Amino acid sequence: KAGVTQTPRYLIKTRGQQVTLSCSPISGHRSVSWYQQTPGQGLQFLFEYFSETQRNKGNFPGRFSGRQFSNSRSEMNVSTLELGDSALYLCASSLATGEVYEQYFGPGTRLTVT
Amino acid sequence: KNEVEQSPQNLTAQEGEFITINCSYSVGISALHWLQQHPGGGIVSLFMLSSGKKKHGRLIATINIQEKHSSLHITASHPRDSAVYICAAASNTGNQFYFGTGTSLTVIP
Repeated sequence: KAGVTQTPRYLIKTRGQQVTLSCSPISGHRSVSWYQQTPGQGLQFLFEYFSETQRNKGNFPGRFSGRQFSNSRSEMNVSTLELGDSALYLCASSLATGEVYEQYFGPGTRLTVT
Repeated sequence: KNEVEQSPQNLTAQEGEFITINCSYSVGISALHWLQQHPGGGIVSLFMLSSGKKKHGRLIATINIQEKHSSLHITASHPRDSAVYICAAASNTGNQFYFGTGTSLTVIP
């Protein structure tokens, strides 16, 4: 069974631009969660999607948004990029929504904002 | 104040040593996860616990719900165990995770 895949793996953008990251969950998994990891803040929860609906959202500004498609693939968008958005963005999929379901992480997309 | 505190931040051990990493949390949880992150970023979920103890190979995870504390133990440590170990508390008020800052483990041959 293929794991969680994320594209692109590396990305360099300029301040003010916008970026879209993609995550394909494990086949059969319907929940996709997104996380940001920075050296200063560590891992932080961005949001979770289940059956095309955002289930929960972390404490991030509205510049961070996402969506999920009917095939469970998810995209995350960051508009008006800031230098502080440079981070590793990880997505994780699980069979269903709910804290008791194990999460499987993708390799991440490393975003650098210059 | 962080909802999840881990200790130690850094740990160096000789191959074969028994290792313990601790995690304390202040939020109500429905489950606690232990994650392993190798250099390069890849994260693997090691355990998900809501009570008691789980064992997988040389890894053991325990949780004490009353004390809001969890431990990850590695028996007979090996250099390939070198990684960052992260504790994540799944909130019982919604689908949200609170993460510890991680414990960087280096096992020397």
